[in-house]
Amino acid sequence: DAKTTQPTSMDCAEGRAANLPCNHSTISGNEYVYWYRQIHSQGPQYIIHGLKNNETNEMASLIITEDRKSSTLILPHATLRDTAVYYCIVRPRAQKLVFGQGTRLTINP
Amino acid sequence: NAGVTQTPKFRILKIGQSMTLQCAQDMNHNYMYWYRQDPGMGLKLIYYSVGAGITDKGEVPNGYNVSRSTTEDFPLRLELAAPSQTSVYFCASSEEEAFFGQGTRLTVV
Repeated sequence: DAKTTQPTSMDCAEGRAANLPCNHSTISGNEYVYWYRQIHSQGPQYIIHGLKNNETNEMASLIITEDRKSSTLILPHATLRDTAVYYCIVRPRAQKLVFGQGTRLTINP
Repeated sequence: NAGVTQTPKFRILKIGQSMTLQCAQDMNHNYMYWYRQDPGMGLKLIYYSVGAGITDKGEVPNGYNVSRSTTEDFPLRLELAAPSQTSVYFCASSEEEAFFGQGTRLTVV
């Protein structure tokens, strides 16, 4: 699986858009970009995934660069409940799921 | 539709004791996983399974065993508990997106 690089931590003001970057320069053609988050002490929660097109759902948007070497998860109107560790994972669709260190996002009032 | 169910939620073991952490899913997913998460750290993959009768080691398999006799169940066995196995254990299942259980908090004293 391709390696990902994420900032260790980020801060964002409540109500603003939170933009979480992820670098995956060694991504292969059959590998998807997945985002999960873990709110304190809970099991991780799936957010969104994509192959090469931008994706949007009720939780977030995923922007993947044209060369697929990086992506950005966007939480459009962050709330205090979005404070969590966010994990960017790159893997083929039917492959084991391995987590890195993620980005600790803190939403400030 | 209960999703992924883990039992027990909490357990205290003495050194050298054995126990089985139970995990069941009702979504007919082929993939199932066991992770451990030490305080303040990320999730580490212990074992995973791609279907009934098939299991494979993850990043930290030592001290654990698994079996997958049915699609629904994926128990994790600790044979000789050690203090280093004090952790929170998460089970997950997936096809496209992964669903996680609420975790089992295990303390070995």
